[in-house]
Amino acid sequence: GAVVSQHPSWVICKSGTSVKIECRSLDFQATTMFWYRQFPKQSLMLMATSNEGSKATYEQGVEKDKFLINHASLTLSTLTVTSAHPEDSSFYICSAPDLGAYEQYFGPGTRLTVT
Amino acid sequence: AQSVTQLDSHVSVSEGTPVLLRCNYSSSYSPSLFWYVQHPNKGLQLLLKYTSAATLVKGINGFEAEFKKSETSFHLTKPSAHMSDAAEYFCVVSETHDDKIIFGKGTRLHILP
Repeated sequence: GAVVSQHPSWVICKSGTSVKIECRSLDFQATTMFWYRQFPKQSLMLMATSNEGSKATYEQGVEKDKFLINHASLTLSTLTVTSAHPEDSSFYICSAPDLGAYEQYFGPGTRLTVT
Repeated sequence: AQSVTQLDSHVSVSEGTPVLLRCNYSSSYSPSLFWYVQHPNKGLQLLLKYTSAATLVKGINGFEAEFKKSETSFHLTKPSAHMSDAAEYFCVVSETHDDKIIFGKGTRLHILP
């Protein structure tokens, strides 16, 4: 089946710094990708829809200036957490839909810890 | 807009007994419905999906789910629980017109020896 990768798998950063997380579709093209965050023992919350070649669409309550999304190619979307704070510590997961299979493929996630 | 409700945050069953994880949905369009499983510190794994074909869907590891439009339900079942089934289960709804998917809050399945 289709594979979606994320890099890095985990990252620790200091407050005030920025962190970039990559999401790649490895064997298919994705004009759309989705970014989620998951707090411990909670469900996944959709943050934004990443659109290749255009601006991302953010869910209500998600700060677009804090969570910068770039979908530069049909196989790569990046999420940059700017000026990170400890409350941004979370598990970030991306997904990409395989339109023909009516299925979403999920990346393995990136655990961000802000100290 | 679509939404999904998982009726139980925790379910405990004894090994070898049936499993029932409940899910209700709402959707303005014909939905696609999925069940995903997440083992501790692991990524999401698709168990099964419904996309307007057969209403009874069989998935991996002996799981199945039945789409009931009249009840707006998509409950997940398994005839006989195994210890390895202990995990978090998410019911997910998608409206194919925008591919956006919404997760339920999850049900943690505990298997008692």
